[in-house]
Amino acid sequence: GNSVTQMEGPVTLSEEAFLTINCTYTATGYPSLFWYVQYPGEGLQLLLKATKADDKGSNKGFEATYRKETTSFHLEKGSVQVSDSAVYFCALRWGGATNKLIFGTGTLLAVQP
Amino acid sequence: EAEVAQSPRYKITEKSQAVAFWCDPISGHATLYWYRQILGQGPELLVQFQDESVVDDSQLPKDRFSAERLKGVDSTLKIQPAELGDSAMYLCASSPRLDRVGEQYFGPGTRLTVT
Repeated sequence: GNSVTQMEGPVTLSEEAFLTINCTYTATGYPSLFWYVQYPGEGLQLLLKATKADDKGSNKGFEATYRKETTSFHLEKGSVQVSDSAVYFCALRWGGATNKLIFGTGTLLAVQP
Repeated sequence: EAEVAQSPRYKITEKSQAVAFWCDPISGHATLYWYRQILGQGPELLVQFQDESVVDDSQLPKDRFSAERLKGVDSTLKIQPAELGDSAMYLCASSPRLDRVGEQYFGPGTRLTVT
């Protein structure tokens, strides 16, 4: 079936370090891919998206490229800040009858000053 | 900025009791979702509404869970009777249209603890 696999956390980095959070997917057809972020005490927020192969989504310094050949959508940021500390969820949009989102398990990022 | 409202934020209930959660989506959003998020896992869709109609409730445990969106605006999710395994965060989300499913706006959630 359709699924999303994320690297396990927590990921602990120092401020200004480079971030990569790995995400791979299994899906029939050509799903759209998303990264959501959940800051402490808040709901999930859409961070970025890509709807077809080789698309690059970007927002707030974060980037992710839709790689069909490796079925991946890794999240990257060149220089993290303490304020980036949150849980990051990779998700795919499964077509079907309802176009629902399927989420990964989430990766906790902790950035230390 | 418009937000999805949920209440209560926290709920503690005893096993076999009834519990209800309320969600008010962003004004004008036709599609509403209820998710369950167990600690350490990603959100899992329970039910999806388009206006007042259920589009997908395939993962809703219908023997104990029910959901309604009578006027196509706010929504209520009910559990009766609650079981220990229902302890989780219950998230509500909305989006402008069914085909913009990835652009979902989430509320802060209701954390349910069943004792």
